[in-house]
Amino acid sequence: GQQVMQIPQYQHVQEGEDFTTYCNSSTTLSNIQWYKQRPGGHPVFLIQLVKSGEVKKQKRLTFQFGEAKKNSSLHITATQTTDVGTYFCAGIQGGSEKLVFGKGMKLTVNP
Amino acid sequence: DAGVIQSPRHEVTEMGQEVTLRCKPISGHNSLFWYRQTMMRGLELLIYFNNNVPIDDSGMPEDRFSAKMPNASFSTLKIQPSEPRDSAVYFCASTLRDRGRGGYTFGSGTRLTVV
Repeated sequence: GQQVMQIPQYQHVQEGEDFTTYCNSSTTLSNIQWYKQRPGGHPVFLIQLVKSGEVKKQKRLTFQFGEAKKNSSLHITATQTTDVGTYFCAGIQGGSEKLVFGKGMKLTVNP
Repeated sequence: DAGVIQSPRHEVTEMGQEVTLRCKPISGHNSLFWYRQTMMRGLELLIYFNNNVPIDDSGMPEDRFSAKMPNASFSTLKIQPSEPRDSAVYFCASTLRDRGRGGYTFGSGTRLTVV
């Protein structure tokens, strides 16, 4: 079945640093979505990417969808303590409606 | 908009008891999903509905789990009998299916503990 892998699973950064997390699918995706879950909270939708090679920005967050539509990345610039949480990528395989989540990347920030 | 509403927020029950989790999706959304989250397995899709009809229940762990959606504004997930390994956070999410598969809105979840 469809699998979505995220690396790394944990990331600890110093406030102000940049970092990137990656998401890889075993199958071609029709779209990929990113969510953020704060400790004790629920996943909150951040963005959806649909087109091959698509790049979208939200303030300090940059999301990219791979050319083959099998991978994606999230880059955060100048990390802040408010960025703390777990970031999930989730993909939908063409023709399906099942959103399959990766295991997430837990980010901690040292002030 | 009140968002997706789940109840109860926390549930502690004894092994063997029946547990019913409830969800009210966002008004106008026509797809509803039940997910389970654990440290070991992450977020797992259990079942989803389109226009109140169950489409895929392949993620339901076993016959002890059942889900219903009697109308567009209400869904239940029932576990009978419950077991300690069912302890997890259960999320309900909804979306508007024909909006190019936009993002899902999750409820706050029900934290289930089976002792």
